[in-house]
Amino acid sequence: DTGVSQNPRHKITKRGQNVTFRCDPISEHNRLYWYRQTLGQGPEFLTYFQNEAQLEKSRLLSDRFSAERPKGSFSTLEIQRTEQGDSAMYLCASSPRGGMNTEAFFGQGTRLTVV
Amino acid sequence: GDSVTQMEGPVTLSEEACLTINCTYTATGYPSLFWYVQYPGEGLQLLLKATKADDKGSNKGFEATYRKETTSFHLEKGSVQVSDSAVYFCALSDSRDDKIIFGKGTRLHILP
Repeated sequence: DTGVSQNPRHKITKRGQNVTFRCDPISEHNRLYWYRQTLGQGPEFLTYFQNEAQLEKSRLLSDRFSAERPKGSFSTLEIQRTEQGDSAMYLCASSPRGGMNTEAFFGQGTRLTVV
Repeated sequence: GDSVTQMEGPVTLSEEACLTINCTYTATGYPSLFWYVQYPGEGLQLLLKATKADDKGSNKGFEATYRKETTSFHLEKGSVQVSDSAVYFCALSDSRDDKIIFGKGTRLHILP
């Protein structure tokens, strides 16, 4: 097992374009989380899945953001009509049945730059 | 809502110095508390955790004690090494929400 994998590692896009990120969690982890981290700040929760069900979305997640986890395996995070304020590191994490009270394993993140 | 406040960095110490990074929290329930570490170029890693009052988490020479009376979870190490240079995040997880809330992070520089 190679841990949580995120692709791409870096993405530069023009304002107004759509982008999609992928996260492959640790196999058999049924919970998957997306966070966003800006410079000098701690990670902020965006949304999470238990298997294929999206259980919670943060108010930070505008209508331009959508996340999916088909078949309860990998997940995608799409941002439509990107804005400069979307520039950040997007982190994915997975955890086993016990949830984040046990331990969460984070990927290395996808750094998005909107120009 | 729940929140975590930790001391601002950067913190710069010489090798073998003592380290304390302060962390306090606000929570309506009974959270689990964590310290995560982010080494340069790597993802966040769990350093240690404590799930109830008076528990002490420890790992790699680091320790933190869950103090309910002062709502604190300070990170300590008696003798730091250059390899400890990283960003440290204090965090909590409330079982009702099942997500982690992070502090802003403290960057630690250890000089040889």
